[in-house]
Amino acid sequence: NAGVTQTPKFQVLKTGQSMTLQCAQDMNHNSMYWYRQDPGMGLRLIYYSASEGTTDKGEVPNGYNVSRLNKREFSLRLESAAPSQTSVYFCASRLSGRHSYEQYFGPGTRLTVT
Amino acid sequence: SQQGEEDPQALSIQEGENATMNCSYKTSINNLQWYRQNSGRGLVHLILIRSNEREKHSGRLRVTLDTSKKSSSLLITASRAADTASYFCATDATGSGNTGKLIFGQGTTLQVKP
Repeated sequence: NAGVTQTPKFQVLKTGQSMTLQCAQDMNHNSMYWYRQDPGMGLRLIYYSASEGTTDKGEVPNGYNVSRLNKREFSLRLESAAPSQTSVYFCASRLSGRHSYEQYFGPGTRLTVT
Repeated sequence: SQQGEEDPQALSIQEGENATMNCSYKTSINNLQWYRQNSGRGLVHLILIRSNEREKHSGRLRVTLDTSKKSSSLLITASRAADTASYFCATDATGSGNTGKLIFGQGTTLQVKP
C-alpha cells in the first residue's frame, strides 16, 4: 500500500495563477483532510471531508476550494494564488470508525507563490 | 486559532537522556494525540490518550493527561539520535462529532545529540 500520496511535491506559482493539489489514499479511509503548515507553526486545517460526498470548512478556508472526487481522492484548489498561501500543504486520511482516531499523512506539497 | 501551546519550543539533549514535552489546550476534548514529524516529511501518529485516561505507555513513550489543567506531557525515555524530530500535540475537541477534526499545537523541536 502506498498510503497517502500527494502531487506535486514542489510547485512555484506567480501571484494570480491557479493550481490544484492532488491527494489520494489507498487505505479505504472515509475521512480526508487538507492542512497547511507555516514555518515554526503547527498544522492548520483548511478543509475536510468527513465522508465521501461531503466537504466542510476548517480553520483557514479562505482562498481555497476542495473536491472529494471519490472515496480515494480529495483535491485542493487555489483559484488565484497569493504570496500568503506560500506554505507546505499536507493531506491526511482517517478511517473514522468510533475507535479509529489516527490520521495518516502524505509527504506534503511545498508551494511558493511569488 | 491554535488550540495547543507546546513548550519548550526547542529541546536539545544527549543520547540516553529523557525528553519531556508539554502541551496545553483550551477547550474540552475527546482525546489528545501526539504526532512526530521528521524534517521535510509528513506527520506520523505516535500515541493517543482519551479524556478519561490519565496515563498511557507505548514502548519508550509515556503520555500523561490532566484535564483539570488542560495539559498533557510526552516523555521519551532513553532517547536516541533517531528521535530527532518535531513533536506535535493535537486535540479532538468535544463537540466535533465524528469528524476527526484536530487542532494542532505549534510543536517542540527535539534534537538528540549522539
